[in-house]
Amino acid sequence: DQQVKQNSPSLSVQEGRISILNCDYTNSMFDYFLWYKKYPAEGPTFLISISSIKDKNEDGRFTVFLNKSAKHLSLHIVPSQPGDSAVYFCAASKNSGYALNFGKGTSLLVTP
Amino acid sequence: KAGVTQTPRYLIKTRGQQVTLSCSPISGHRSVSWYQQTPGQGLQFLFEYFSETQRNKGNFPGRFSGRQFSNSRSEMNVSTLELGDSALYLCASSQATTSGGRETQYFGPGTRLLVL
Repeated sequence: DQQVKQNSPSLSVQEGRISILNCDYTNSMFDYFLWYKKYPAEGPTFLISISSIKDKNEDGRFTVFLNKSAKHLSLHIVPSQPGDSAVYFCAASKNSGYALNFGKGTSLLVTP
Repeated sequence: KAGVTQTPRYLIKTRGQQVTLSCSPISGHRSVSWYQQTPGQGLQFLFEYFSETQRNKGNFPGRFSGRQFSNSRSEMNVSTLELGDSALYLCASSQATTSGGRETQYFGPGTRLLVL
């Protein structure tokens, strides 16, 4: 049962424009959300996180927005750079445990 | 600080064999989690260890087991390997300073296991 869903398998964006990656979750017990970036044959690299007590968190070019009522979060990358091309995973956890529930990922391609 | 390290990076086994994978967490991190990544199922949680005890377990058969040592290093073992166990096995560590899950997990590069 997929509790975290990334409905767009792929996204293509021009360099300098905004990339918006979306994620939906079904379990209302999730209260900590993370985004990871992954290159082939490497482990996921942590990008940014947000706790359910916030609705926005920024770190440089990366901003994560959380809409708890809609059970939806999004990652904005501004401006997008070719080096951002990778697979992005959304993950969620409950406060009661350390298990991360991952989405299937969105492959982002940033073209020059 | 050095990141999470995993050994070996690549492994080829045959059906029915067993395999042991190793993970060294970031220095000072006390929690180690294991995940399996396959093309069909994506990233799935296997189990999590803290202070040499398994605290959380995912929905995997008993052939998958693990342990953690007093220095926080962890191993996972898969017995009676099946073709479907071919996957990238990822280890992640976190500081575990809180009692709950609001902590970032940092991943190692993974061990690519191929079962023939």
